[in-house]
Amino acid sequence: AQSVTQPDIHITVSEGASLELRCNYSYGATPYLFWYVQSPGQGLQLLLKYFSGDTLVQGIKGFEAEFKRSQSSFNLRKPSVHWSDAAEYFCAVGASVDYKLSFGAGTTVTVRA
Amino acid sequence: DTEVTQTPKHLVMGMTNKKSLKCEQHMGHRAMYWYKQKAKKPPELMFVYSYEKLSINESVPSRFSPECPNSSLLNLHLHALQPEDSALYLCASSQGRAFEAFFGQGTRLTVV
Repeated sequence: AQSVTQPDIHITVSEGASLELRCNYSYGATPYLFWYVQSPGQGLQLLLKYFSGDTLVQGIKGFEAEFKRSQSSFNLRKPSVHWSDAAEYFCAVGASVDYKLSFGAGTTVTVRA
Repeated sequence: DTEVTQTPKHLVMGMTNKKSLKCEQHMGHRAMYWYKQKAKKPPELMFVYSYEKLSINESVPSRFSPECPNSSLLNLHLHALQPEDSALYLCASSQGRAFEAFFGQGTRLTVV
């Protein structure tokens, strides 16, 4: 079964600074990887996904993520954060054999002025 | 249209009530999901419907009863819930296995 670890529970970053959120996954085959963002009381919005091909993927809202098979990682980055980026971020891994999407515990991002 | 619509947005119900949550998508997705999310936690999968048939039931108590009337609609019938069932209930849909899931805005359920 697949699993995801997000080592950082909470990150505080200044507006305009760069942001990197870590995600490590465990899965025996080729993983399908996703980053979702959730604002308080809202649903989850897909930021980006990796299925295959180029290991650097671009997403919405200026986010990008890099898949590193050797490190079993799929870290999310943004060069310059905006106050509206304050939210909960979930990394998730899926498999081709079933419908289950395994989520990490999430990282809360706080943006200070 | 990449929208999954959930109604109602908020629901307060007593422990003896019967209520239903509704979910609708018009993306032609053949897989639909119910997730439960407690505060500060990731979503937990409850049920998956694939081609209108129940594919996965994650050992959910029988007081939660899913229904998929057609490929665009998904319901969750609630009966005799407990206060600990209070949570955000999220519906999602996808094209199939390993495809990205699109989530609705959720129903905030409070059981009193």
